[in-house]
Amino acid sequence: KAGVTQTPRYLIKTRGQQVTLSCSPISGHRSVSWYQQTPGQGLQFLFEYFSETQRNKGNFPGRFSGRQFSNSRSEMNVSTLELGDSALYLCASSLAGGVYEQYFGPGTRLTVT
Amino acid sequence: DQQVKQNSPSLSVQEGRISILNCDYTNSMFDYFLWYKKYPAEGPTFLISISSIKDKNEDGRFTVFLNKSAKHLSLHIVPSQPGDSAVYFCAASAGAQGGSEKLVFGKGTKLTVNP
Repeated sequence: KAGVTQTPRYLIKTRGQQVTLSCSPISGHRSVSWYQQTPGQGLQFLFEYFSETQRNKGNFPGRFSGRQFSNSRSEMNVSTLELGDSALYLCASSLAGGVYEQYFGPGTRLTVT
Repeated sequence: DQQVKQNSPSLSVQEGRISILNCDYTNSMFDYFLWYKKYPAEGPTFLISISSIKDKNEDGRFTVFLNKSAKHLSLHIVPSQPGDSAVYFCAASAGAQGGSEKLVFGKGTKLTVNP
């Protein structure tokens, strides 16, 4: 079974631009969660989508948004990029959400200049 | 306020010896704890977990100990192997049936196992 895939793997953007990241979960998984990893803050939860609905949201500004499609693929969008948004963005999929069995993708490394 | 703390950013051990990674938490509502391992350029992979009703869980070379009164858990790797070299994240959840928003991660400890 294919794992979680994320595209693109690397991205360089300029301050003020916006960016869209994509995550394809493991086949059959309906929950997709997004995390931001930075050296200073570690892994922080952004949001979770389940059956095309945002189920949970972390403590991030409204510039961070996401969506999930009927095939469970998910996109994450960051508008008006700031230097501090430079991070590794990870998505994780699971069958039905919850903390037990999350499978992470390799991440998208975003650099904002 | 950081609810899950891994106070050692790095740890170096010799192959064959024991590696002990520590994690402290402040939220007494946490009732489920997980350890993830992360190699460079890969996402974290689940390693082992423990529920608050237990004080020990073992899986092969990996054992997690939970001391609820001290709000402390530790991961023991015996014997350590060079392939164990990775960043280890401790994570905690309040309400194990809950969604991802209740999963709080520490900042990680980089383990290096020297041959």
